[in-house]
Amino acid sequence: QSVLTQPPSVSAAPGQKVTISCSGSSSNIGNNYVSWYQQFPGTAPKLLIYENNKRPSGIPDRFSGSKSGASATLGITGLRTGDEAAYYCGTWDSSLSAGVFGGGTKLTVL
Amino acid sequence: QVQLQESGPGLVKPSQTLSLTCTVSGGSIRSGGHYWSWIRQHPGKGLEWIGHIYYSGSTYYNPSLKSRVTISVDTSKNQFSLKLSSVTAADTAVYYCARAGLIVVVPAAIWFDPWGQGTLVTVSS
Repeated sequence: QSVLTQPPSVSAAPGQKVTISCSGSSSNIGNNYVSWYQQFPGTAPKLLIYENNKRPSGIPDRFSGSKSGASATLGITGLRTGDEAAYYCGTWDSSLSAGVFGGGTKLTVL
Repeated sequence: QVQLQESGPGLVKPSQTLSLTCTVSGGSIRSGGHYWSWIRQHPGKGLEWIGHIYYSGSTYYNPSLKSRVTISVDTSKNQFSLKLSSVTAADTAVYYCARAGLIVVVPAAIWFDPWGQGTLVTVSS
């Protein structure tokens, strides 16, 4: 069981917007920053968002992050078939003194 | 730009010790400001943080693995390593090394970038 909770799957049509949720508790998301990763099958995860809403260089502004209370959200606009991947949230858990991840969400672009 | 590459045996026998090395290129482990991490992914499953190390040798470990994990650093070779003892089939996974940004004072933060390509380690007799 993952410390952070994500929906197993989401889907949306090309060109549309999708959001992926990540819920935790006060010991992790509630008081700490969240990061998001994209992973295609057979490849390593790639950082999309760090510190809740910052994008590393090279990540398009179609990807955005937000946080409210003990939940975080990844938003993807202008969906493309190339966005089909698994998406993971992560953060630091201050009670565990450990990095923690969500179970991942598979995005299907219909 | 910084690149990471995992290396080590792809097959380990039960009860033995899994040993992997991550070689960092394009930058120095001693540059500071980052931690050097190990993360694993069981087949078809999510990500699990194993632990990380600073170039000075300071470490953080996942409490669920702490009794079996040792992460070390060799700054002269620009490498860091993972040892996981007493392995079972449940330790079969793809093991990734990654550079981590870390802030431990609340609001804390951790993010991993870049990642190595990953290496599959199978525990089987």
